Amino acid sequence: DIQMTQSPSSLSASVGDRVTITCRTSQNINNYLHWYQEIPGKAPKLLIYAASNLQSGVPSRFSGSGSGTHFTLTISSLQPEDFATYYCQQSYSTPHTFGQGTKVEIK
Amino acid sequence: QVQLQESGPGLVKPSETLSLTCTVSGASIRSYYWSWIRQPSGKGLEWIGVIYYSGGTNYNPSLKSRVTISLDMSKNQFSLKLSSVTAADTAVYYCARETVVTGEGRWFDPWGQGTLVTVSS
Repeated sequence: DIQMTQSPSSLSASVGDRVTITCRTSQNINNYLHWYQEIPGKAPKLLIYAASNLQSGVPSRFSGSGSGTHFTLTISSLQPEDFATYYCQQSYSTPHTFGQGTKVEIK
Repeated sequence: QVQLQESGPGLVKPSETLSLTCTVSGASIRSYYWSWIRQPSGKGLEWIGVIYYSGGTNYNPSLKSRVTISLDMSKNQFSLKLSSVTAADTAVYYCARETVVTGEGRWFDPWGQGTLVTVSS
């Protein structure tokens, strides 16, 4: 299985801050990396697919970059509704695997 | 707008079979791929498996011997059965549509809200 390592596991930030989350994979996955947002009590939501493509309806303050084994999710200006847990997922090979999550908390 | 909703018992006894159904609205299950994903409390997400519109399946090897995913075209539903459950199978179970694009990969969108299944006697 491809191992996923997200960092940090949690962070505290203020509204308006720029936030960057990193996801590293145990082998080259090209651009087959996707990002999700999870808010308690709500269905997980796709934010970014194929490393850098913004899903329809997702605010443009979210962006993704990277390829190979190193990927980042950036929130350019954190908003109150962005406090959540974020997961990366690889689809280069099955079983699909996820990072352990990054919880973004209010500072 | 595509929506998915999980349903099934919230409590299952050890050694029994966990059975969940996902009802899809806004899309036909005759198209796309359909997956199950779970999340034990305080832990990360684990992909369980996928069923294709053809009825073919692909399961996580860690669960393959105990998992069956099936389609019910007449009800626009797909289902998960996990046999011989233990406390380690206690988790929130999600269903999701799997989108596949050549050169870009496979991702899950949308997801259901999730349903908590507890394995306990």
